[in-house]
Amino acid sequence: DTGVSQDPRHKITKRGQNVTFRCDPISEHNRLYWYRQTLGQGPEFLTYFQNEAQLEKSRLLSDRFSAERPKGSFSTLEIQRTEQGDSAMYLCASSLSGLEYGTDTQYFGPGTRLTVL
Amino acid sequence: RKEVEQDPGPFNVPEGATVAFNCTYSNSASQSFFWYRQDCRKEPKLLMSVYSSGNEDGRFTAQLNRASQYISLLIRDSKLSDSATYLCAVTYNNNDMRFGAGTRLTVKP
Repeated sequence: DTGVSQDPRHKITKRGQNVTFRCDPISEHNRLYWYRQTLGQGPEFLTYFQNEAQLEKSRLLSDRFSAERPKGSFSTLEIQRTEQGDSAMYLCASSLSGLEYGTDTQYFGPGTRLTVL
Repeated sequence: RKEVEQDPGPFNVPEGATVAFNCTYSNSASQSFFWYRQDCRKEPKLLMSVYSSGNEDGRFTAQLNRASQYISLLIRDSKLSDSATYLCAVTYNNNDMRFGAGTRLTVKP
């Protein structure tokens, strides 16, 4: 399967614990995005990377959240001191950006479902 | 006002029906437009991009009206397998994508 992959698929944790999620984008894609989705809502943008550079962060991304993409390939999203309100599906998407590629279409991974007890 | 708004539905239609979804966006600088399909507890999957001239893919037709800041999706001859949530998405500067909350469709036999 050459699509976007995410690990783990499910995570249950207790309030106050730290969690880390991983995303592996489609191999040639230079952009990687993180979103959060709660029940009944569309995905909400959190942050994105172009190669290894984190170019934009949403105000939703509090200081408890940090994302990295150290080598411009896979990315990690860490949540420190989790709260019950962090319970959501965390989605990763990737795209190939550049004028020669046309519209910057994003392809999503299966998501990591986080439950904070 | 939300940046991207959709009628949440649900739309309950019989097989073979034609159904249309609407989506409005607030930022006139929006550049790219998409419809995604999302099945329950799954990730969004790209259904189609939406171009100014309108585009069609089989039973699906998407339209864009930049003046009214409005996009639409028409599904003809609906199938049971079309049951899903349809998400409208808009991007600015080809960066972050803003989604509507989705419109839920149930096609019944």
